[in-house]
Order: sequence, then structure tokens, then C-alpha cells
Amino acid sequence: SAVISQKPSRDICQRGTSLTIQCQVDSQVTMMFWYRQQPGQSLTLIATANQGSEATYESGFVIDKFPISRPNLTFSTLTVSNMSPEDSSIYLCSALAPLGNEQFFGPGTRLTVL
Amino acid sequence: GQQVMQIPQYQHVQEGEDFTTYCNSSTTLSNIQWYKQRPGGHPVFLIQLVKSGEVKKQKRLTFQFGEAKKNSSLHITATQTTDVGTYFCAGPAGGTSYGKLTFGQGTILTVHP
Repeated sequence: SAVISQKPSRDICQRGTSLTIQCQVDSQVTMMFWYRQQPGQSLTLIATANQGSEATYESGFVIDKFPISRPNLTFSTLTVSNMSPEDSSIYLCSALAPLGNEQFFGPGTRLTVL
Repeated sequence: GQQVMQIPQYQHVQEGEDFTTYCNSSTTLSNIQWYKQRPGGHPVFLIQLVKSGEVKKQKRLTFQFGEAKKNSSLHITATQTTDVGTYFCAGPAGGTSYGKLTFGQGTILTVHP
């Protein structure tokens, strides 16, 4: 299994600002993903972070709002840009298991936008 | 697009009672996965089912994959307070979307001691 860490674990931000969330995996993985989860709700996939190329975004999510970087096989960042209170949520990164189909999740970043 | 529906949304049980959550997909799945998320935690992979009609057990948890590979269930026997959390099923997003998952809405389980 992969161990995933995220920073920060939580933050309170002012509207109009941006926050970058970091995701570190303890081993090389082919695929990494970013999700958003409202309390008590399911997981909504934001994008697939592709190493060496642009991220692949799901419907309703755009690069200008959620720029993603993936410089290598163990690290990715998600930036939430020009934040509004509607962006308040838990943001989770995950990695595809090296030899399987399951995903391992980071502990999440709880974002509150005032 | 593919949809994965999960029922019930909430389940409250007394400790010792059984619990079942059901998952239905709009399309045939190559596999189905189950995850558990404790309150305040992150989703943790429980199991994957691949074969039609497959049944797998993990202690008090029994997982089934339907014959048509479009539905699945998770049954917990004699629930304990440690079973509290949200249980999600997830299926491959399909098409060329390798590795991507579509999650069900989840079933929130509370267990009263």
C-alpha cells in the first residue's frame, strides 16, 4: 500500500485568495487524483494529475480555477484559485495502487473560505 | 454517463444488529470496490470484487457482486461501534478513463451502544 500525506491539513482563507495543497506519496505511482468532498457527501473527482503533462479535468472543473501540477511520480499540488465561500470543502488526493485498481487516499485538507 | 447509486443513505442500528448497504450501477462493471470512511477520516479501501456472483468475507463483513455485475452489497453481521462510518461503493469510470472511479453516494452507518 501507499502512504499519502497532504499539507496543509486545514486552512481558513479569505475570499479572492488562492491556496495550494500539496500531496506526497511514499512511493512512485502512475496515477494521482484530486477529489472534493462536502461533509456527509460523496467524493467528486476534480481531475487526474498526469506526470509530465496537463491534468485531465472532469466536467465542471477548469484549469484556471484548479491548476494542478505533477512534477514527478510521487508529488502533486492542487491550487484553489480566487476562492469564494462555495469552495469551502475537504480536498483529497489519492493514488492508484501500483499493482491493482484500488486507490489510496491522503488525509484530506479541510478548507474554509470566509 | 455512468451512475452508481447506493442505498440507503443513512442507517441507524443498535449494536449487535445487522446492516446492509446496496449498490447499483447503470452499466456493467469490470469490478466493484468498497471503501470505508470513519468520521473525520479519509476513505480506506476495503475490498475489490471482480467475478460475477463473487462473495468475499472479511470477518463480520460479507461482500457480494451480482451475477450481472451491475450491483453489489455489503453486509455487516452483529454491528459494533467500531463499524461506524460511511461506506462507499465505487466502480471504474469506464471508457478510456483508466484508474478513475465513480463513487456511490455512500451509506452513513451509526451504531448505538
